Amino acid sequence: GEDVEQSLFLSVREGDSSVINCTYTDSSSTYLYWYKQEPGAGLQLLTYIFSNMDMKQDQRLTVLLNKKDKHLSLRIADTQTGDSAIYFCAEKGNTGGFKTIFGAGTRLFVKA
Amino acid sequence: EPEVTQTPSHQVTQMGQEVILRCVPISNHLYFYWYRQILGQKVEFLVSFYNNEISEKSEIFDDQFSVERPDGSNFTLKIRSTKLEDSAMYFCASRTSGSWYEQYFGPGTRLTVT
Repeated sequence: GEDVEQSLFLSVREGDSSVINCTYTDSSSTYLYWYKQEPGAGLQLLTYIFSNMDMKQDQRLTVLLNKKDKHLSLRIADTQTGDSAIYFCAEKGNTGGFKTIFGAGTRLFVKA
Repeated sequence: EPEVTQTPSHQVTQMGQEVILRCVPISNHLYFYWYRQILGQKVEFLVSFYNNEISEKSEIFDDQFSVERPDGSNFTLKIRSTKLEDSAMYFCASRTSGSWYEQYFGPGTRLTVT
């Protein structure tokens, strides 16, 4: 079945790079996503990558996709305290109305 | 920029009561979704809706749940007889028919069942 796994916590110092990792099971996934959730807020789509790409860069964000290992990562360069949030990895389901399947979320702590 | 809105932002109800959570999707979107997130857990898919019909529903979406598009703008989730375990954040999402890969999420309604 479709499942997405990611580590639960990551702590980095301000200014360092953060790397959040994720694995997924559905090899037919065509789109993979990173969402950000700040405390008490909704889900903000940060970026997504199409499965025929290996990498996508968007300002401080770099997404790497290893389709063979079904591994997705999000790198945040020059991490700031404002980046502290929960980051959800997600994949697009291929049935019905193309639901989004989320991981449990990685809580990123940025220490000043 | 158009956005999905949800009301109320927080709803407190007693066990056994009916609740209706409301969403206003982006105006030209045709596909609608509900997800929920129990505190500290994954965001889980509940149901997708298109052309006035449910496209897909999860095991969570049992007979206690129903969805409706009562007019051209609202999309509602009704829970008939709430249970303690229904306490969660409920997110509505919508998308166009063309951009099937991109869903836009609302800010969520926090439902607390006491």
